[in-house]
Amino acid sequence: DQQVKQNSPSLSVQEGRISILNCDYTNSMFDYFLWYKKYPAEGPTFLISISSIKDKNEDGRFTVFLNKSAKHLSLHIVPSQPGDSAVYFCAASRRDSSYKLIFGSGTRLLVRP
Amino acid sequence: DVKVTQSSRYLVKRTGEKVFLECVQDMDHENMFWYRQDPGLGLRLIYFSYDVKMKEKGDIPEGYSVSREKKERFSLILESASTNQTSMYLCASSFSQRRNEKLFFGSGTQLSVL
Repeated sequence: DQQVKQNSPSLSVQEGRISILNCDYTNSMFDYFLWYKKYPAEGPTFLISISSIKDKNEDGRFTVFLNKSAKHLSLHIVPSQPGDSAVYFCAASRRDSSYKLIFGSGTRLLVRP
Repeated sequence: DVKVTQSSRYLVKRTGEKVFLECVQDMDHENMFWYRQDPGLGLRLIYFSYDVKMKEKGDIPEGYSVSREKKERFSLILESASTNQTSMYLCASSFSQRRNEKLFFGSGTQLSVL
């Protein structure tokens, strides 16, 4: 049973528009959330994170929103660029096992020029 | 920049073979991890090490073992490879166990077991 779910395997967006990647989780013990980006033939790289005490965290073009009541988080990329085309994984961790990240299955984003 | 190096990009092995996947990090990180990535399942933690000679099981340790004799090196061992271990294997490291500590990943080893 997957505790972190990314229900959209792929997303295609026009360059300059907003990309919204979604992630749902089932375990209410999760209190720290991260997004990683993965290019082909490379390992995932950290993108942005958010603690459960916040509902929004912003870093340049990337913003992560957390809705604890809905157990939902989303990553917004504005404006989207072709170089953002990659697979995006959301991940969650619990306070009592902070080293252990539970990853979603990933969403492949394609930004069309 | 942190570098996590996995010894092989591609490996093809036969069922029943003993397989070693090697990972080296160059930033004196305390923690090292082995994940496998499968379509539709994301990344799943196999084993974790927080110090030399220390290890903890992750979510899917069955059929795997690990070795950490030196701080910079973390090996994943498949004692008797099976076809269901065909996967992309990713090694990662982090400096500490603080909540905001990033994982740094290697490029991965695509293992095919025939």
